[in-house]
Amino acid sequence: DIQMTQSPSTLSASVGDRVTITCRASQSISSWLAWYQQKPGKAPKVLIYKASTLESGVPSRFSGSGSGTEFTLTISSLQPDDFATYFCQYYSSYLWTFGQGTKVEIK
Amino acid sequence: QVQLVESGGGVVQPGRSLKLSCAASGFTFRTYGMHWVRQAPDKGLEWVAGIWFDGSNQKYADSVKGRFTISRDNSNNRVLLQLDSLRGDDTAIYYCARDRCISHGDCSFDLWGQGTLVTVSS
Repeated sequence: DIQMTQSPSTLSASVGDRVTITCRASQSISSWLAWYQQKPGKAPKVLIYKASTLESGVPSRFSGSGSGTEFTLTISSLQPDDFATYFCQYYSSYLWTFGQGTKVEIK
Repeated sequence: QVQLVESGGGVVQPGRSLKLSCAASGFTFRTYGMHWVRQAPDKGLEWVAGIWFDGSNQKYADSVKGRFTISRDNSNNRVLLQLDSLRGDDTAIYYCARDRCISHGDCSFDLWGQGTLVTVSS
């Protein structure tokens, strides 16, 4: 099975900072990767799919890149509403696997 | 209104069973694959099970294979999850989610319910 390793597990940052979260796959997954944002007590929300496609309605400060085994989610200028937990998700071969999550905290 | 609403959670003893339901509305349910994803307290997300848009195929995580059964009723716009032989590590919020493999050629989850809590405890 393909394993997804997300880093860091926790990230402390300030409003206005550029933030990068990494997700690594144990083998190539082409571009079948999504990023989700989850706030406490809420369901996850998709931000990026197919590694780099921005979901409709998601602010353009969010971007995704990568293919194969290494992927990144970048927030260009962190806003107060962005403090949350982020998960990557691999989907292919009729299986879905999430990364462990990255909590973005206020510095 | 496009939404998913889960129900059926509760407190159950180890070894017992529970059935979760997810009611869909506001979209053409029969054209979407559906899934259950769970989240243990203060933990990450774990995909549990998925079912094809027409119910022709089901897939399970290894952790629940042989104990959980996903099914769907396209006439009543519902997806179900039967949880048998429950264990303490099945305690979690269970979310219902839809994929868009058919409509978008992309299998990420674009719609989620609010979740239902299952607590396995004696």
